[in-house]
Amino acid sequence: DVKVTQSSRYLVKRTGEKVFLECVQDMDHENMFWYRQDPGLGLRLIYFSYDVKMKEKGDIPEGYSVSREKKERFSLILESASTNQTSMYLCASLSGSDLLSYEQYFGPGTRLTVT
Amino acid sequence: GDSVTQMEGPVTLSEEAFLTINCTYTATGYPSLFWYVQYPGEGLQLLLKATKADDKGSNKGFEATYRKETTSFHLEKGSVQVSDSAVYFCALASGGYNKLIFGAGTRLAVHP
Repeated sequence: DVKVTQSSRYLVKRTGEKVFLECVQDMDHENMFWYRQDPGLGLRLIYFSYDVKMKEKGDIPEGYSVSREKKERFSLILESASTNQTSMYLCASLSGSDLLSYEQYFGPGTRLTVT
Repeated sequence: GDSVTQMEGPVTLSEEAFLTINCTYTATGYPSLFWYVQYPGEGLQLLLKATKADDKGSNKGFEATYRKETTSFHLEKGSVQVSDSAVYFCALASGGYNKLIFGAGTRLAVHP
């Protein structure tokens, strides 16, 4: 089974702090994604990566950056956390050879609260 | 741009009731369509998919048919169970790099 793990299930940070959210997948997938999930808005794509050191902005990249130094790990960075970044963050991965099925595999999510 | 619209929840049903969750989409070209499900405390998982018009996706008793003429992909189940309580997301695949566009999600609560 594909496994996508996220470093924390719950995280509380203060305004202005630099926050790192880590995601690791164990299936050698080329593509990885970061979403945020908010009630009434569904999932919105923040950033994605289609290879090591490659990244593309999603729909809401402002206030975020990402890092992909190794194929299995994709990190989301909040440079200076703000209260409007309080949300559930979901990581997903997708095999490059699985493009037609588009079955993205999701981690359990990190619920981040910024106070 | 491309978008997905789902019926608002929550949807509350008794066990063995019939379920319909409406989903319509706007897209250029011919997108692939998906239903994902999120059980409490978990990430999303793929429930079913359809890649071209008139295809029917099915899994675990759930079905959805890709209707190009009405740009819809409604989710149905003939007899729901308490274990079906979850949030259901309709999505379409758009553009390059395998991007998914999600609807807002519909929460389903099934009572015994």
